[in-house]
Amino acid sequence: EAQVTQNPRYLITVTGKKLTVTCSQNMNHEYMSWYRQDPGLGLRQIYYSMNVEVTDKGDVPEGYKVSRKEKRNFPLILESPSPNQTSLYFCASSLRDRGLPIHFGNGTRLTVT
Amino acid sequence: SQQGEEDPQALSIQEGENATMNCSYKTSINNLQWYRQNSGRGLVHLILIRSNEREKHSGRLRVTLDTSKKSSSLLITASRAADTASYFCATDVTGTYKYIFGTGTRLKVLA
Repeated sequence: EAQVTQNPRYLITVTGKKLTVTCSQNMNHEYMSWYRQDPGLGLRQIYYSMNVEVTDKGDVPEGYKVSRKEKRNFPLILESPSPNQTSLYFCASSLRDRGLPIHFGNGTRLTVT
Repeated sequence: SQQGEEDPQALSIQEGENATMNCSYKTSINNLQWYRQNSGRGLVHLILIRSNEREKHSGRLRVTLDTSKKSSSLLITASRAADTASYFCATDVTGTYKYIFGTGTRLKVLA
């Protein structure tokens, strides 16, 4: 089944403790991206990647890192999480053509205390 | 902020009625997409309209696009309780691979 898989589904952590949220897609998509969703603000793009070793900042990249060492994986790294990074995070992927749908994972709900 | 705006923020209708939601955006686009989200789950693609198109249909969905006003509307006809969800528009920023999502419309269809 074609899908975007992100883990974990729920994560509670403390301020400053490094964490990684994994994302993997099995559709051979070139484009992958991370979003955060906050009430009243919709989805905001954190980082995106057009291919292996190619990444670029979205609208809210501060406090996040990404890497794209393999085409199928695009982990999101929070080196020193803070409470304002408490949010619902989505990984997404699509083929390179901008005119094609974006496929989303089921989300990771992160709480930083 | 480049964030898109949608209105209304929330909409409550009876089953069988039509639901219309609007999206405004700020940048030049190649295409505009509409997505649906069920209570905190991942977004699901509904329909895409290209910048050179004015109207598109898919089943009970009708999308219009007015690039001069930088706005789009999504019409869901003959709504069902199962249409209850949040709906988001998304635009790509011309010349980039950035996507900008609207703030969403929460639709509730009462049986």
